[in-house]
Amino acid sequence: NAGVTQTPKFQVLKTGQSMTLQCAQDMNHEYMSWYRQDPGMGLRLIHYSVGAGITDQGEVPNGYNVSRSTTEDFPLRLLSAAPSQTSVYFCASSSIPYGYTFGSGTRLTVV
Amino acid sequence: AQKVTQAQTEISVVEKEDVTLDCVYETRDTTYYLFWYKQPPSGELVFLIRRNSFDEQNEISGRYSWNFQKSTSSFNFTITASQVVDSAVYFCALSDNTDKLIFGTGTRLQVFP
Repeated sequence: NAGVTQTPKFQVLKTGQSMTLQCAQDMNHEYMSWYRQDPGMGLRLIHYSVGAGITDQGEVPNGYNVSRSTTEDFPLRLLSAAPSQTSVYFCASSSIPYGYTFGSGTRLTVV
Repeated sequence: AQKVTQAQTEISVVEKEDVTLDCVYETRDTTYYLFWYKQPPSGELVFLIRRNSFDEQNEISGRYSWNFQKSTSSFNFTITASQVVDSAVYFCALSDNTDKLIFGTGTRLQVFP
């Protein structure tokens, strides 16, 4: 099925560990982004990319790295996980003005 | 700066009642897009509607309707004859020419039988 694929769906990390959340889309969208969702705060933009080789920071970028080597993939790296990064993460791709497609989310717990 | 405000944190209604979810936005751009998404208990984000800033026509889709008013910077969402399956968190969002999508904090709707 066409769309945005996020892996893994669930992850538990220990404080200080690193990991990469994977995101892939097969719609040839130029724009991709990562959000985190926390209770009462909606979805907040972490990083985004307007095309391969171009990334920029969103509202809450600290503690996260991204890269965009291909149009299809936009991985999110946690360099040294902290309990404050416990959240649900969503990847999205879009082709303005046609709207955004979201992945199914990754529930991350940092202990 | 862009901002989306959903002042209603949680709304509870009884089945068959009508309910309106409010959304107020701020932007300096003349071209922008407004969205509503539904997040059911299963957690995925379901696209409901997109409206561009040049189209102020209200839209109706089944039991759902949207009222876009540029004069008050509002894009409200009404569910007519609500059903238990409408229980979810609803997000209003705004996108400008930079492609960034900014979300409100969401309104949790609970529909009781």
